[in-house]
Amino acid sequence: NAGVTQTPKFQVLKTGQSMTLQCAQDMNHEYMSWYRQDPGMGLRLIHYSVGAGITDQGEVPNGYNVSRSTTEDFPLRLLSAAPSQTSVYFCASRTTGGRAEAFFGQGTRLTVV
Amino acid sequence: LAKTTQPISMDSYEGQEVNITCSHNNIATNDYITWYQQFPSQGPRFIIQGYKTKVTNEVASLFIPADRKSSTLSLPRVSLSDTAVYYCLVGFSGAGSYQLTFGKGTKLSVIP
Repeated sequence: NAGVTQTPKFQVLKTGQSMTLQCAQDMNHEYMSWYRQDPGMGLRLIHYSVGAGITDQGEVPNGYNVSRSTTEDFPLRLLSAAPSQTSVYFCASRTTGGRAEAFFGQGTRLTVV
Repeated sequence: LAKTTQPISMDSYEGQEVNITCSHNNIATNDYITWYQQFPSQGPRFIIQGYKTKVTNEVASLFIPADRKSSTLSLPRVSLSDTAVYYCLVGFSGAGSYQLTFGKGTKLSVIP
């Protein structure tokens, strides 16, 4: 099983550029989310989706857009990259319900120069 | 979602049992307690989840007292490969609680 797949694994952007981080899961999970993790910190929620066509903001949504056109895919778009967005980004998925375990991708390490 | 407090770091020698305690004083009646493990440059990995008393699986045990205001993750006979950050999460109650809230976690260093 592939689980949660993120691409790319590494990316360097110039300030002001835009790009899309891809996330795909093959477990038919309803819930997907994006986190960022800065050095020495825990994960902070950027955006999440509880199903196709439904998205909502998390703790740190500014500068990011998401869409959920299919159950499998949940891309994260950086509109105009800034050095403050240098971080490691993780995508996660889980089924809804009280005891569901979340599955994380391997992360995308993004550097904005 | 309930806020959690756990030690920033812990050291242990190989072969010892490690107990990491998490405080969650305002846990709600329907909240579950979940622990994740994260290795450097990897996404978090689910370890164990419980509601009350004791839960055990192949890698860890989770002890939850009757008042549920704290919980203890127990790792038996740790090895160097258990060096990681461990996160305690509380929540998941109700149909609307989809968000996972991570604190800074506990960095466990296993010493040879």
